[in-house]
Amino acid sequence: GENVEQHPSTLSVQEGDSAVIKCTYSDSASNYFPWYKQELGKGPQLIIDIRSNVGEKKDQRIAVTLNKTAKHFSLHITETQPEDSAVYFCAARYNAGNMLTFGGGTRLMVKP
Amino acid sequence: GAGVSQSPRYKVAKRGQDVALRCDPISGHVSLFWYQQALGQGPEFLTYFQNEAQLDKSGLPSDRFFAERPEGSVSTLKIQRTQQEDSAVYLCASSMSGTGAYNEQFFGPGTRLTVL
Repeated sequence: GENVEQHPSTLSVQEGDSAVIKCTYSDSASNYFPWYKQELGKGPQLIIDIRSNVGEKKDQRIAVTLNKTAKHFSLHITETQPEDSAVYFCAARYNAGNMLTFGGGTRLMVKP
Repeated sequence: GAGVSQSPRYKVAKRGQDVALRCDPISGHVSLFWYQQALGQGPEFLTYFQNEAQLDKSGLPSDRFFAERPEGSVSTLKIQRTQQEDSAVYLCASSMSGTGAYNEQFFGPGTRLTVL
């Protein structure tokens, strides 16, 4: 089955700086890569996603890049704000079905 | 409209007790997923329904875990004879379409199960 690795596990940045979180996946058949933000006591919330036929996608301060050859994808957050502080998860959709395989998560702390 | 709701939000069980966790998906959503999230880890897939059909239960950790969605809407995850290792947050997610679509999975707030 699919395996998703995520780094770093914790990330601390100053407000206004950029943050980058990286993930690798194992199954070359995976074709959908969402990123979720999870705040304390809440369920994961989708913030951006990318499909395997696209190399990059941007939505305001958030961007995701995908390198299918290397089987890795990254989340970029620019101009970070304290409200960006949360745990972020990458995921990959295994081609055999709709289930998502998640990375281990990154705790992002944005210091004012 | 309302999102995915789960109940109870918190459940404390003594080892050996049976528990039932409920998920109300977004109205009209065909697909429903259960995930288990251990403390400090990412969610792990348990089982998947398309309408009332359970199409994948490969992630259920043992035969003590059972899920159903009899009318293709509300789903219940049942854990029999709970063990301490069952302590986790159980997340339910729903999506609009069935297998093969890229559609978003909307997550509920989860049920935090603590087994003493």
